[in-house]
Amino acid sequence: DAGVIQSPRHEVTEMGQEVTLRCKPISGHNSLFWYRQTMMRGLELLIYFNNNVPIDDSGMPEDRFSAKMPNASFSTLKIQPSEPRDSAVYFCASSRAGRETQYFGPGTRLLVL
Amino acid sequence: GQQVMQIPQYQHVQEGEDFTTYCNSSTTLSNIQWYKQRPGGHPVFLIQLVKSGEVKKQKRLTFQFGEAKKNSSLHITATQTTDVGTYFCAGTGNQFYFGTGTSLTVIP
Repeated sequence: DAGVIQSPRHEVTEMGQEVTLRCKPISGHNSLFWYRQTMMRGLELLIYFNNNVPIDDSGMPEDRFSAKMPNASFSTLKIQPSEPRDSAVYFCASSRAGRETQYFGPGTRLLVL
Repeated sequence: GQQVMQIPQYQHVQEGEDFTTYCNSSTTLSNIQWYKQRPGGHPVFLIQLVKSGEVKKQKRLTFQFGEAKKNSSLHITATQTTDVGTYFCAGTGNQFYFGTGTSLTVIP
């Protein structure tokens, strides 16, 4: 079985540009999570979907960040406009249910210049 | 709010030495999970503990869930260079929280 798929794997962009990160969860998983990881702040939960509905977005840093899950097999995390402080590794993870084992994708390494 | 802290933040050991990381929650957890992240990789699930006082073993790794279900530990016996990485606990209380992680370096 394919694991969680994320694209792109690497993204370099300039400040002010829009960035869209994509995630395909494992088939049959009902919960999807977006995380951001930096050396300074560690692994932070940004937003959590259950059955395509956002359940907890309290970790979303500010209005520049938005996430959608139009169907069970696809989610996006968008940053507009991007800033250098958004540079981080962004992970998507999925699980069968919200409190069960999470399976992480390989991550998107974002660098905003 | 709920926090899950891990100590130490960093640990350097000589190959063959033992290693322990501790996970502490400010609130009672219904379960605790442990993940390992290799350098440059992504977190990978290791194990889940559910019962108070539960102990589970995976080869050289021993996982323990505290009696009060507010703390947990991971102990590695006779570390190897393949054990290098960051170990995260993750607990379910009111919500699901990842701990701050312990970065393990094993010196050959």
